[in-house]
Amino acid sequence: AQSVTQPDIHITVSEGASLELRCNYSYGATPYLFWYVQSPGQGLQLLLKYFSGDTLVQGIKGFEAEFKRSQSSFNLRKPSVHWSDAAEYFCAVGLMDSSYKLIFGSGTRLLVRP
Amino acid sequence: ETGVTQSPTHLIKTRGQQVTLRCSSQSGHNTVSWYQQALGQGPQFIFQYYREEENGRGNFPPRFSGLQFPNYSSELNVNALELDDSALYLCASSFTGGSEAFFGQGTRLTVV
Repeated sequence: AQSVTQPDIHITVSEGASLELRCNYSYGATPYLFWYVQSPGQGLQLLLKYFSGDTLVQGIKGFEAEFKRSQSSFNLRKPSVHWSDAAEYFCAVGLMDSSYKLIFGSGTRLLVRP
Repeated sequence: ETGVTQSPTHLIKTRGQQVTLRCSSQSGHNTVSWYQQALGQGPQFIFQYYREEENGRGNFPPRFSGLQFPNYSSELNVNALELDDSALYLCASSFTGGSEAFFGQGTRLTVV
């Protein structure tokens, strides 16, 4: 069955430090891959997406992610974290069967130390 | 361009009651999907509507049902509410077959 794993439940980084959030997926074909961010009590905002082509994709707010087929991974990175980046981050796979749907990981909560 | 809007933002219901949640899709989008996000978990796909018909369902019982209207807005109905139905319900709109979904801010449902 298709699944998405985010192994880190919480991550704490200092403001200005670099960030990497891990995501692994289980899917037979090359999937559509997404990272979403969710602030407390809010909906999901799309940070970036990968469909095909260049495996390093750029997103909003200075985030980037790299698709590694051999590792079934799509890790999210940011070179310098800002306090406003504190939120919950979700990795998702786009899956088509009877309809198109997103399969989400369980999320990683990012805490930023001043 | 208007985004996806959901109403109400918060709702408290008693076990056994019925609830209706509403979603207006983003301008130009004709497909609406609903997701349930329990506390501390990622969203789970409930179902999707296209051309006013359900065209895909996740692992949710029949007491979860929906509608899509000609203007592409949608409703999620849940009958016989259970305590475990307490969650954030998210609506997402997209183009047909489109791979990018845009989410609303969600409706927080609490069942007591």
